[in-house]
Amino acid sequence: GAVVSQHPSRVICKSGTSVKIECRSLDFQATTMFWYRQFPKKSLMLMATSNEGSKATYEQGVEKDKFLINHASLTLSTLTVTSAHPEDSSFYICSAIDRYNEQFFGPGTRLTVL
Amino acid sequence: QKEVEQNSGPLSVPEGAIASLNCTYSDRGSQSFFWYRQYSGKSPELIMFIYSNGDKEDGRFTAQLNKASQYVSLLIRDSQPSDSATYLCAVSKAAGNKLTFGGGTRVLVKP
Repeated sequence: GAVVSQHPSRVICKSGTSVKIECRSLDFQATTMFWYRQFPKKSLMLMATSNEGSKATYEQGVEKDKFLINHASLTLSTLTVTSAHPEDSSFYICSAIDRYNEQFFGPGTRLTVL
Repeated sequence: QKEVEQNSGPLSVPEGAIASLNCTYSDRGSQSFFWYRQYSGKSPELIMFIYSNGDKEDGRFTAQLNKASQYVSLLIRDSQPSDSATYLCAVSKAAGNKLTFGGGTRVLVKP
């Protein structure tokens, strides 16, 4: 199956700093990628839909100015958590859609904000 | 009412037995249904998808869909300790669309 990578896999940062998470489709092009967030013992919640070459579509309740998404190429989407706070600590997972409309998940990024 | 509902469990199953997981959804426009397995600290991995009413079998797994009842289930036959994980039900309006996940059912297979 297709491979989606995320970098970094784990990041610890101080409160108030910004953190960038990359999501890459390694062997296919993805015009659409999704960003999910998962709190401990909770399910995945969709944050936004990232479309190559256009603005991301955010789900209700997700602050677009806080979670900046850039889908600059067909293989890369980035999520930047700006001015991170402890409540932003979570497991962030991206997924990418291939040309057969199959969705492949990245391995996730564990963010801890001190 | 949550869009996708699952019993959180844990569902405790003896090794070799059948584990039965249920999921209900509220949006009648949902067309694609997925079961994912997620181990602690890992991202979800796809077990099965089903689009049409009825049963779909893949190895030890059988997915069942009943759109009229807005119900989808997963059976795991010959459960193994390695099947111990959280199973997530997800629905979407079409293949390639965003997924709405249920809360997940934790399954424990005891040797």
